[in-house]
Amino acid sequence: NAGVTQTPKFQVLKTGQSMTLQCAQDMNHNSMYWYRQDPGMGLRLIYYSASEGTTDKGEVPNGYNVSRLNKREFSLRLESAAPSQTSVYFCASSEAWQGNEQYFGPGTRLTVT
Amino acid sequence: EDKVVQSPLSLVVHEGDTVTLNCSYEVTNFRSLLWYKQEKKAPTFLFMLTSSGIEKKSGRLSSILDKKELSSILNITATQTGDSAIYLCAVEGIQGAQKLVFGQGTRLTINP
Repeated sequence: NAGVTQTPKFQVLKTGQSMTLQCAQDMNHNSMYWYRQDPGMGLRLIYYSASEGTTDKGEVPNGYNVSRLNKREFSLRLESAAPSQTSVYFCASSEAWQGNEQYFGPGTRLTVT
Repeated sequence: EDKVVQSPLSLVVHEGDTVTLNCSYEVTNFRSLLWYKQEKKAPTFLFMLTSSGIEKKSGRLSSILDKKELSSILNITATQTGDSAIYLCAVEGIQGAQKLVFGQGTRLTINP
């Protein structure tokens, strides 16, 4: 099992460009999440999908959109990148929407210039 | 608003020392508290503590949940250089879906 995979590993964008971060899990988990991690701020939830077909905003959703393509895949889109979105992005998944630990992907380091 | 605060933010000790990391929280309808270890990349799960499981131990690592004080500690005994990492505390409340609120993390450095 690969667990949670993310692509790309690194990305540099210019302000105003768009891109999609891809995430897939092979653990048959129902719930998936997108976080960003900034220095000194821990992990902050951007969007989550409690189950296939549903998505909800987290703590910092502005400037992002998500798609739960199927049970395995959950993508994060930046429509018009801004320097404030420079961060490390982690995708995670969990078996159920309550009471289960989350498994994290390796992260995408995004720089917006 | 749910909140998780970890202390200290940074800690440097010598190999063989024992360390205690702290996590305090304010959350609506507490469900669980989780500890993660983050080395260079993804956080990896260590422990989950709940009302029915307030103490966990795995090798040299152990954790206790104090629901009265709304806090948890993570202890690491006989530290090794491989324990150097950021340790993250996260709390889950009953909010209609599983959403973890993370603390800032404690950066632990073990010097040989």
